[in-house]
Amino acid sequence: YVLTQPPSVSVAPGQTARITCGGNDIGNKRVHWYQQRPGQAPILVVYEDNDRPSGIPERFSGSNFGNTATLTISRVEAGDEADFYCQVWDTDTVHGPVFGTGTRVSVL
Amino acid sequence: QITLKESGPTLVKPTQTLTLSCTLSGFSISSGGEGVGWIRQAPGKALEWLALIYWDDTVRYSPSLHNRLSVTKSTSRNQVVLTMTHMEPVDTGTYYCGRLGNSWVDDWGQGILVTVSS
Repeated sequence: YVLTQPPSVSVAPGQTARITCGGNDIGNKRVHWYQQRPGQAPILVVYEDNDRPSGIPERFSGSNFGNTATLTISRVEAGDEADFYCQVWDTDTVHGPVFGTGTRVSVL
Repeated sequence: QITLKESGPTLVKPTQTLTLSCTLSGFSISSGGEGVGWIRQAPGKALEWLALIYWDDTVRYSPSLHNRLSVTKSTSRNQVVLTMTHMEPVDTGTYYCGRLGNSWVDDWGQGILVTVSS
């Protein structure tokens, strides 16, 4: 199962960033998102399409329909600059997590 | 507080076997429902899942690497151990262990950078 993300997204501070994750009929899967700042381990920012772990700002939200899942970051801050990865659980062949190709979010 | 910490060699030679340990704190790998996975990341590349193990010894491996991987757990040490045979330079990268949620990785270790070079 392949998850495709745009390599990069650029956004000005205070604006909204949208990161897409494309996969065949992904709307029927639960999608999770991770943020990875340079030199750090990933952290979970959204799970099961649109739930946030404790401590993650409400500015992070997700949606998932059809063949595309989207992570939306509202009121972008300089500290949001990072790589973002989507992930689903493949129950057909891998029987484990599958990660997207990753998107670098740059804050202008 | 839940923490995971990877340990092992940071430099291995080609054809050697890599053994990494993941020491768990704040939860027990023997508790019902718990699982730990291994994920790696080549420099500048995306995350790649390798293997996972559950409290009941159920294991799963990446299909592309399954013939080189082995994952076990030690309940007495509260550790999960990953073994990867026939290491090559393309296996260079940061190796992470993570505590599994329902179908996601809830908590990540800090990672360990492994370089494969003669």
